[in-house]
Amino acid sequence: QVQLQESGPGLVKPSETLSLTCTVSGGSISGYYWSWIRQPPGKGLEFIGYIYYSGSANYYPSLKSRVTISVDTSKNQFSLKLNSVTAADTAVYHCARFHADYTYFDLWGQGTLVTVSS
Amino acid sequence: QSALTQPASVSGSPGQSITISCTGTSSDVGSYNLVSWYQQHPGKAPKLMIYEGSKRPSGVSDRFSGSKSGNTASLTISGLQAEDEADYYCCSYAVSSTLAFGGGTRLTVL
Repeated sequence: QVQLQESGPGLVKPSETLSLTCTVSGGSISGYYWSWIRQPPGKGLEFIGYIYYSGSANYYPSLKSRVTISVDTSKNQFSLKLNSVTAADTAVYHCARFHADYTYFDLWGQGTLVTVSS
Repeated sequence: QSALTQPASVSGSPGQSITISCTGTSSDVGSYNLVSWYQQHPGKAPKLMIYEGSKRPSGVSDRFSGSKSGNTASLTISGLQAEDEADYYCCSYAVSSTLAFGGGTRLTVL
């Protein structure tokens, strides 16, 4: 079955760029939307944005100026870049498959903790 | 970022029914039947329980049901079981093609 796995550095310095990759296995990335959601420690879920396999993306308004989501269909991967990070960006970052027509996430990665600290 | 309001906690005894509310506005829950619900056990990935307000994905127990009235969506769990103890989050489509999550509700099975 389709599985998602996040990867990337677990520690990022303030003001630097957070970079994560989500690898989709067991199925093709083509034909779907893919998303990033984060969860600060002890807090709720926060939507970051989503991308269609063709490359068109949509971001949460308050993060839009700092976020880029990209896709690499040849590697069956999509990625997140969040620049100028602060401690407030410390969170578990999940990737997920997103159904844009009816607005729901049906498959999730386990998540990866990214800590912003010097 | 929690644009949708959920109770911080609810509890119930095994076999009972509980309802978790998710209150938004006319810009999200009230205008679209596009609410989804997720169950999250500690340290685990969220799991889709309800989508399009009241539809259950394959494999989700029919003890879980969703509904909506005005600007408030609800998740009802009947016949509570110990394994239902988890955090639950609602999510809705919102104007300008964005999404809003609720702050989450901790369900305790007594």
